[in-house]
Amino acid sequence: DIQMTQSPSTLSASVGDRVTITCRASQTISTYLAWYQQKPGKAPNLLIYKASTLQSGVPSRFSGAVSGTEFTLTISSLQPDDFATYYCQQYNLVSSTWTFGEGTKVEVK
Amino acid sequence: QISLKESGPALVKPTQTLTLTCTFSGFSLSTSEVGVGWIRQPPGKALEWLALIYWNDDKRHSPSLKNRLTITKDTSKNQVVLTMTNMGPVDTATYFCAYKGRDTGGSFDSWGPGTLVTVSS
Repeated sequence: DIQMTQSPSTLSASVGDRVTITCRASQTISTYLAWYQQKPGKAPNLLIYKASTLQSGVPSRFSGAVSGTEFTLTISSLQPDDFATYYCQQYNLVSSTWTFGEGTKVEVK
Repeated sequence: QISLKESGPALVKPTQTLTLTCTFSGFSLSTSEVGVGWIRQPPGKALEWLALIYWNDDKRHSPSLKNRLTITKDTSKNQVVLTMTNMGPVDTATYFCAYKGRDTGGSFDSWGPGTLVTVSS
């Protein structure tokens, strides 16, 4: 099975900071990688799909990129509403299974 | 607008079978390439994908839980049902159902609010 390693597990930042979260795949996978934001007591919300496509309605300060087996989610200028936990999720085309990363909590510095 | 909602027991006893229903609106599960999946999240922990059923009744299950899971759909009722056998305390979690659209590359576009299931005697 493909393993997804998400880092860091916790990130302390201030409003206005540029924030980057990384997900590394244990082997080369497709670009079927998504990013979600989750706030306490709520369901996850899709931010990015296919590694770099912004979901409709998501602010443009969120962006996704891929380089080899490394996927990144970047928030260009952190806003108060962005303090949350973020998860990556990959879809394995070969086995038709889904795997989530362990999550990154973005907290107030 | 797509909407999903999970329903089922809040409390189950160890060894019992859990049955959860996802009732949705805003899409049809007979539309090509769409699916409905189930994902769970133990308190304070990460998300874990469980199962997914496609428009054509094709089914996918988490390899680690495959023997315990059954997923079915009732297209006429706009419902997807997940059953999980032999529940144990480690299965205590919030269970979400989610919509997998046709154009978003394996991601889950819309989610239900989730339902907390506690396993305890």
